[in-house]
Amino acid sequence: ETGVTQSPTHLIKTRGQQVTLRCSSQSGHNTVSWYQQALGQGPQFIFQYYREEENGRGNFPPRFSGLQFPNYSSELNVNALELDDSALYLCASSLAGSRSSGNTIYFGEGSWLTVV
Amino acid sequence: GQQLNQSPQSMFIQEGEDVSMNCTSSSIFNTWLWYKQEPGEGPVLLIALYKAGELTSNGRLTAQFGITRKDSFLNISASIPSDVGIYFCAGQVSGGGADGLTFGKGTHLIIQP
Repeated sequence: ETGVTQSPTHLIKTRGQQVTLRCSSQSGHNTVSWYQQALGQGPQFIFQYYREEENGRGNFPPRFSGLQFPNYSSELNVNALELDDSALYLCASSLAGSRSSGNTIYFGEGSWLTVV
Repeated sequence: GQQLNQSPQSMFIQEGEDVSMNCTSSSIFNTWLWYKQEPGEGPVLLIALYKAGELTSNGRLTAQFGITRKDSFLNISASIPSDVGIYFCAGQVSGGGADGLTFGKGTHLIIQP
């Protein structure tokens, strides 16, 4: 139990639609990052939010966007869904500025997205 | 996207055997993490390493941060059935974490009765 919760756990969308995934970070953690994990692969970094601003981004197009709220919870939005967006989307939280735990990142159980 | 080279891809072992897996990279990382993932769940942190040469244990698990900063290994001693799962290494460059984690493709551990 990492204290990171995600919703929904599973969803199915049609190509071209938009989706919003939600995440509540572990208590006391101020940084949230999102990852995409395709079947048989390791997670791929999408972006990170700190103090409600995106402060790091992986190799994902602009149709992947996010928000972080004052309570440190977060949303991942994906527009114009494509079939290849089908994956497990993982949210992770950490505490920036603390060496003992700032680089220690805890994951939620993920949201399974299927695009048909 | 970039991924670490993790090996082996899969391991079929007998209960009680020791397990060793490793991760290598062409670039330097300043943090190495090892995670375990079971079906339908997110990765669970096993061990975090912050200094080159660091050797850290967590019960039957031992991991080391390579002195070159380009590799790490994870050992599991006396494997038990609940060790089954996919083990991922992950590296991070920056202390602030804004570059995110770079993951390996995972090592599937299967324990034969």
